[in-house]
Amino acid sequence: DAGITQSPRHKVTETGTPVTLRCHQTENHRYMYWYRQDPGHGLRLIHYSYGVKDTDKGEVSDGYSVSRSKTEDFLLTLESATSSQTSVYFCAISEPHQGSAYEQYFGPGTRLTVT
Amino acid sequence: QKEVEQDPGPLSVPEGAIVSLNCTYSNSAFQYFMWYRQYSRKGPELLMYTYSSGNKEDGRFTAQVDKSSKYISLFIRDSQPSDSATYLCAMSGGGATNKLIFGTGTLLAVQP
Repeated sequence: DAGITQSPRHKVTETGTPVTLRCHQTENHRYMYWYRQDPGHGLRLIHYSYGVKDTDKGEVSDGYSVSRSKTEDFLLTLESATSSQTSVYFCAISEPHQGSAYEQYFGPGTRLTVT
Repeated sequence: QKEVEQDPGPLSVPEGAIVSLNCTYSNSAFQYFMWYRQYSRKGPELLMYTYSSGNKEDGRFTAQVDKSSKYISLFIRDSQPSDSATYLCAMSGGGATNKLIFGTGTLLAVQP
């Protein structure tokens, strides 16, 4: 998994509670991403980061916030979890190549259930 | 209409068959095309990456891009039961943040 770990791997939480998911990488990649994967929708980008303290929104960012205080860690927070946020969450990293696109490599995922 | 369309399958083939997986897209700005393989309850694994039009081959896998038709394909030769997985296409217009747009995935089952 390209040196990416995600924690926790599984979580069950109640509606209205805050939840933080962690993505940790060991290879100093500059770009990090959070996706969610749902049946019929594929992978959708929530937020991404292009450096320490530099983050931006993806297509499904409502209800989520992120922080990146260190190169190796990218945190995703569900401020007040809702049942619609039940999903599998994946972290990804990429690194620029000269004259090329930036292939993305994915972590193992976190399965979140909001009851 | 989604920017990237992919038949969800499932696609079931016998071992040794040639498999063809396809995606269509609507955004002519896409220049970078990728195929990911995802086993059940695992993260997506980058399989093939292609820039612009043309073919790319890697072992039993061939990726084709036809930008004029906005159509990309992944061919798997001599398919094996271990190829059973969901295959996701992804594409990007490039740029510093390289936002990828994914298809919904095709579930492939290779029967021994």
